[in-house]
Amino acid sequence: ETGVTQTPRHLVMGMTNKKSLKCEQHLGHNAMYWYKQSAKKPLELMFVYSLEERVENNSVPSRFSPECPNSSHLFLHLHTLQPEDSALYLCASSLGTSGRASTDTQYFGPGTRLTVL
Amino acid sequence: DAKTTQPPSMDCAEGRAANLPCNHSTISGNEYVYWYRQIHSQGPQYIIHGLKNNETNEMASLIITEDRKSSTLILPHATLRDTAVYYCIVRVADFNKFYFGSGTKLNVKP
Repeated sequence: ETGVTQTPRHLVMGMTNKKSLKCEQHLGHNAMYWYKQSAKKPLELMFVYSLEERVENNSVPSRFSPECPNSSHLFLHLHTLQPEDSALYLCASSLGTSGRASTDTQYFGPGTRLTVL
Repeated sequence: DAKTTQPPSMDCAEGRAANLPCNHSTISGNEYVYWYRQIHSQGPQYIIHGLKNNETNEMASLIITEDRKSSTLILPHATLRDTAVYYCIVRVADFNKFYFGSGTKLNVKP
């Protein structure tokens, strides 16, 4: 248990569906991240939020829409996805993004396995 | 951004030390080396990090060469549960970006 939870753990959706992935951290952290891990590919950073402000959007298509209502919760809203979006979606959090290793270590949740039909 | 190079796979006998190498020849002076592992499509698990000095914690030891161009993660007594993909990451300070490469698949065998 890392203190970062993700729901649901598994999700199957059609290309016309709208769904949301939820991440919650119980660590008192101020920064949260979304990563995508496709089969046989490295983890790709998608979004970074620091103090509830999006500070990084790594050229992610608009069919992925993040939301960070407070420092403990992070959502990834999904709509009109493609089969190639099937992947493991991982959430992480860190105390800060200050450039100091003592605050910047990222802790990951277990991921949501998404399948787009 | 400093990139890392790791062997794609390694084998280790149970109970023996596992030594996982990583090259990061373009690392900058203020960039930290982090190690994570990922067990069978679970979320990556933090192991250890360092800047210049060798580091040790309850999970592993990290040896960084004096020129900081390479490092080695040491699991002193590998167990079957240590079978995982191990990632060596050089953290970019800008918004704390972690770039994960392909990692090393460590197979611990009985």
